[in-house]
Amino acid sequence: GQNIDQPTEMTATEGAIVQINCTYQTSGFNGLFWYQQHAGEAPTFLSYNVLDGLEEKGRFSSFLSRSKGYSYLLLKELQMKDSASYLCAVKNAGNNRKLIWGLGTSLAVNP
Amino acid sequence: KAGVTQTPRYLIKTRGQQVTLSCSPISGHRSVSWYQQTPGQGLQFLFEYFSETQRNKGNFPGRFSGRQFSNSRSEMNVSTLELGDSALYLCASSLASGSNTGELFFGEGSRLTVL
Repeated sequence: GQNIDQPTEMTATEGAIVQINCTYQTSGFNGLFWYQQHAGEAPTFLSYNVLDGLEEKGRFSSFLSRSKGYSYLLLKELQMKDSASYLCAVKNAGNNRKLIWGLGTSLAVNP
Repeated sequence: KAGVTQTPRYLIKTRGQQVTLSCSPISGHRSVSWYQQTPGQGLQFLFEYFSETQRNKGNFPGRFSGRQFSNSRSEMNVSTLELGDSALYLCASSLASGSNTGELFFGEGSRLTVL
């Protein structure tokens, strides 16, 4: 079967660093995505990894290990506005390149 | 440029009724995908349309259907509504079907409550 696992909830302090993990088991792999979704709003694209390694984009970085079926999203210098749900999604390979979504990790940033 | 627009934003229906939701993608985007989002199941893929053709379909019953028009606008329909259909329905557009980067641009969703 296909499965994506993320922690349900995380809490961190303003100014700190937090790592949100995502493990996946899917039929084929054609990229992993992270999206951010604030309560009551649309998900917005954060990052895309298709090769192993770290992709850095400002305060956010995303890491991928295809052999381990593992990714993480690293958020540095946390701000209150980073309180949101973080969704991990994997795209299948082949013709049926659908996105399979995790349930999301709800991050609360406290002062 | 304008983002993805979904209408209506909120609606309440009763069991057995049917509902039609509308999505206008970003100008120039030809692919539209629909998702159902619930707290317990997360984002569940419904279907994807590209150039008026359904390219992919999720594991939902036939009560869920959709279509895309020549201007890339899309509608989805749910017939014979059930309580379990209460959810946030999200539409997402992208430049191409199954594009490698996969960046989707989501609308703010239509929140359906079935009583």
